[in-house]
Formats: sequence, C-alpha cells, structure tokens
Amino acid sequence: DVKVTQSSRYLVKRTGEKVFLECVQDMDHENMFWYRQDPGLGLRLIYFSYDVKMKEKGDIPEGYSVSREKKERFSLILESASTNQTSMYLCASSLARGREQYFGPGTRLTVT
Amino acid sequence: GENVEQHPSTLSVQEGDSAVIKCTYSDSASNYFPWYKQELGKRPQLIIDIRSNVGEKKDQRIAVTLNKTAKHFSLHITETQPEDSAVYFCAASTTSGTYKYIFGTGTRLKVLA
Repeated sequence: DVKVTQSSRYLVKRTGEKVFLECVQDMDHENMFWYRQDPGLGLRLIYFSYDVKMKEKGDIPEGYSVSREKKERFSLILESASTNQTSMYLCASSLARGREQYFGPGTRLTVT
Repeated sequence: GENVEQHPSTLSVQEGDSAVIKCTYSDSASNYFPWYKQELGKRPQLIIDIRSNVGEKKDQRIAVTLNKTAKHFSLHITETQPEDSAVYFCAASTTSGTYKYIFGTGTRLKVLA
C-alpha cells in the first residue's frame, strides 16, 4: 500500500516566518507534487518534481520554493509566509506520468 | 493557460437516484482523465480514470464517459448511497509546458437518505 505522509496536520505561523512543509513517500515513486486546496478553487498545482534535484513550476509558484534532495522526500518552502498563504496543502506522488496520484493527509496552514 | 471546468459545484440527490458531474477541458492533447473522491477531512483518492483511446469505462456503480471531439468527460454514479456523499474532483493531463494534471474546482455531492 502506498503511503504518503506529511510532517504536520496543522501548523500556525506568523507573517514573515519561513515555513517548511515536508512530504515523504515510501513507494519509490518518481513524481511528487505540491498542491494547495482552497474552497471553490479546487486543487491548484504549486510545484512538482519528476526526479531527484529536479523541479518544475506549477500554476501558482509565486511565494513558494521546493527542494528534492532524495527521491522519497519533497519539501515545500514558504520563504516569508503571508496571510494569503493560509490554506490546506496537499502533497502527492505517482509512479510515472499518466498514472494515479496518491495524496498525503494534508497540512492545514494558518498564517496570522 | 489550460484549464478544466467542472459543473455543478454542488449536487443533492435522493438516495437511490443517479448523479452526473461534468467536466470540460481545453487542451486537445490531454490523454488521461482521473476522478478523485474526497470525503470530509480525508485525502483525495482515485475512484476511476479513463484514457483518451477509450470512450467509456465502468466500475460497479460508477462510470466515466469521454467525448474527445467536444472535449468533455462525465462521472456517472448510479444507485447513490449516503457514503457517496463527498467532494469529487475531475482532472485532465496537459502537456502545455511539462506534463502535469489540471484539476477542476470540485463538486460537493450530498446524498439524502
């Protein structure tokens, strides 16, 4: 069974703080993704990675960066958190392109 | 940019009735169309998917149809049950830039007992 875990379920940070969200998958998947989920907006892709040390911008990358130093781990970084980054963040992984994405449980981030 | 439109945003049906959710995509090169179900407080999970070389796919009470010419695809749930209540997301692959998925905005389905 594929397992995707995220470092925190709930996180509260202050404006201007640097925030790290971590995602780990245990199925040797090549591809990893970060989405944010907001009511009425669905799932929007922030960044994704098809290989170690590789990253691609998604549809809403502004204010975010990522790191993938190991195949199983994909980190999302908010360099200077802002209130408009309050959201649910979902990590996902897939074996290959055009295959099922497995999602983590999500991190609900609140920036005050 | 490429996008996926999903309708309706909310849908209420009586238990036992059918539910249909529709999505339209813009990238004519899209070739993979998954549907995800997200129950309250849980992660999205794949329930069915279809590839562009197939027009319809069924799995028990759920089915997906694809019309490549019109660039739309639909999720059909028959004999709905209370446990079908959830948010459903459609998605379409796109090769605009790098291969990735674009998700619809979701449909909240309520099955009334």
